[in-house]
Amino acid sequence: DQQVKQNSPSLSVQEGRISILNCDYTNSMFDYFLWYKKYPAEGPTFLISISSIKDKNEDGRFTVFLNKSAKHLSLHIVPSQPGDSAVYFCAASASGGSYIPTFGRGTSLIVHP
Amino acid sequence: EADIYQTPRYLVIGTGKKITLECSQTMGHDKMYWYQQDPGMELHLIHYSYGVNSTEKGDLSSESTVSRIRTEHFPLTLESARPSHTSQYLCASSDLNRGNLYGYTFGSGTRLTVV
Repeated sequence: DQQVKQNSPSLSVQEGRISILNCDYTNSMFDYFLWYKKYPAEGPTFLISISSIKDKNEDGRFTVFLNKSAKHLSLHIVPSQPGDSAVYFCAASASGGSYIPTFGRGTSLIVHP
Repeated sequence: EADIYQTPRYLVIGTGKKITLECSQTMGHDKMYWYQQDPGMELHLIHYSYGVNSTEKGDLSSESTVSRIRTEHFPLTLESARPSHTSQYLCASSDLNRGNLYGYTFGSGTRLTVV
């Protein structure tokens, strides 16, 4: 039973436009949320995070939004660049537990020039 | 610039062979992890360690074993490789005191193929 769901396996966006990647979770104990970016044949790299006390966190072109009541978070990339083409993993963890995150299955983003 | 190193990057090996996947980090992190990941699937935790001489099994049942004799080194061993072990293996580390907002540092992974 997946506790972290990324329902879109892939997303295609034009360069310069906004990319929106979505993630849903079922465990109400999750209070830390992270996004990782992964290129083929490489390990994931940490991108941005948010705790449940906030509903938005911004870092340059990347913004993560958290809607706790809907158990939903999203990653916005503006403007999208071809170098953003990668697989994006959403992860969530609970401070009351081991902090070890549960990962989603990833969304493959392709940004067309 | 990688601070966590995995070797080999790619490995093709026959069924029944014993293999050890190496993982070393230079950041002094206490926590280290091994994940298994197949294309289109989530990362599954197979082992983790909170420090020297501490190892735990993760959520995914695995026939592998790990050891943590030194802080910087966390090798994973398969005593008898099978085709079902074909996957990408990712090693990661994190700082015990930085909470959970800074993420893990992952190695580049080992792509294992068992024939």
